[in-house]
Amino acid sequence: AQKVTQAQTEISVVEKEDVTLDCVYETRDTTYYLFWYKQPPSGELVFLIRRNSFDEQNEISGRYSWNFQKSTSSFNFTITASQVVDSAVYFCALSEGGSGNTGKLIFGQGTTLQVKP
Amino acid sequence: NAGVTQTPKFRVLKTGQSMTLLCAQDMNHEYMYWYRQDPGMGLRLIHYSVGEGTTAKGEVPDGYNVSRLKKQNFLLGLESAAPSQTSVYFCASSSYFRQRFSGNTIYFGEGSWLTVV
Repeated sequence: AQKVTQAQTEISVVEKEDVTLDCVYETRDTTYYLFWYKQPPSGELVFLIRRNSFDEQNEISGRYSWNFQKSTSSFNFTITASQVVDSAVYFCALSEGGSGNTGKLIFGQGTTLQVKP
Repeated sequence: NAGVTQTPKFRVLKTGQSMTLLCAQDMNHEYMYWYRQDPGMGLRLIHYSVGEGTTAKGEVPDGYNVSRLKKQNFLLGLESAAPSQTSVYFCASSSYFRQRFSGNTIYFGEGSWLTVV
């Protein structure tokens, strides 16, 4: 069975600190996709990144970076020089891959990030 | 661009009442989904559809019914609402990419807040 675990329920940092959100997943599929979503206080889900299981390159987008390690089944998300606007709930999610891919997502429990000024 | 639109956005129901949540997408997507979000549990899949006229159960389907009579619409019904169905409901849609590793881009609606008293 597929599973996503975000062990950090809440994280509180002071502005400009770096913060890493952990995500560990379980799947028997050899082809799969990993996602990160942001949910700001307004409630909508904002897509951040999608990574497929055959692409282990780390990715950087501005202050955001992602570290994908198949050996440890982890897909961690780092925010560099955090800002108050980064305060949100962040979700990691997993989707099956291959020809039968229906796009169903398995979400982690979410990590609430509070960035204090 | 409307994307994925959910109606209503807020609703208060009494136990035993029925209601229907409507999801509409204007991207000609084949796949549509209904998720519910509860504190500390992330989002969980209720039902999904892989095309017009098809529906399938997700992780937490009990107490809900769905219909997809038109490709652009996916309806979620509560026949007899219970307090346990108090939640935030998200609809999503995605297309099917025929390239093997390209994956699905999944678009979410803004959410519907439902309270059952």
